[in-house]
Amino acid sequence: NAGVTQTPKFQVLKTGQSMTLQCAQDMNHEYMSWYRQDPGMGLRLIHYSVGAGITDQGEVPNGYNVSRSTTEDFPLRLLSAAPSQTSVYFCASAGHPNDYEQYFGPGTRLTVT
Amino acid sequence: SQKIEQNSEALNIQEGKTATLTCNYTNYSPAYLQWYRQDPGRGPVFLLLIRENEKEKRKERLKVTFDTTLKQSLFHITASQPADSATYLCALYNFNKFYFGSGTKLNVKP
Repeated sequence: NAGVTQTPKFQVLKTGQSMTLQCAQDMNHEYMSWYRQDPGMGLRLIHYSVGAGITDQGEVPNGYNVSRSTTEDFPLRLLSAAPSQTSVYFCASAGHPNDYEQYFGPGTRLTVT
Repeated sequence: SQKIEQNSEALNIQEGKTATLTCNYTNYSPAYLQWYRQDPGRGPVFLLLIRENEKEKRKERLKVTFDTTLKQSLFHITASQPADSATYLCALYNFNKFYFGSGTKLNVKP
């Protein structure tokens, strides 16, 4: 059981470039989510999904897209990177809706120059 | 949207004492509240969940209380150890969304 995996661990982008952060889980969890963590700001929800084919916006969705074609995978796309998107990104998954214990991945540290 | 406040100043305590961390929220009461531990460079790890109709929850040396009138949760670590040093985050859940506080750093000195 690998849990929640994220790739890459580190990434440097130039302003305007696009990229996809990958997230996968092998626990058959229905709920998956993406967060960004900035110093002093805590974790902020970007997008989430309650099952394959269903996605919705969190607190800070602008500049990010997601899709959920399978239960296992939940990629996060940055279409045109901006310096304000420099952050640490965490993916998480959770199982039963009444008891959403979230399992987090190890994070991706993204720098946009 | 929901606002969550945790003490941004680090909490320094002596080994063996009880650490108490506070989480205050505004607006509506959550369906439940969670506490997570985060070590530097790692993702958060789930510790405890308490529902809106529960007053207290315990797990080994951990205790969480939830007061929906005060809009506050307290997180206690009894007989604290240096290995408990980390940042502790509270998170509120409502309508499929989680809202996290910025965390409180706990330093337990031997």
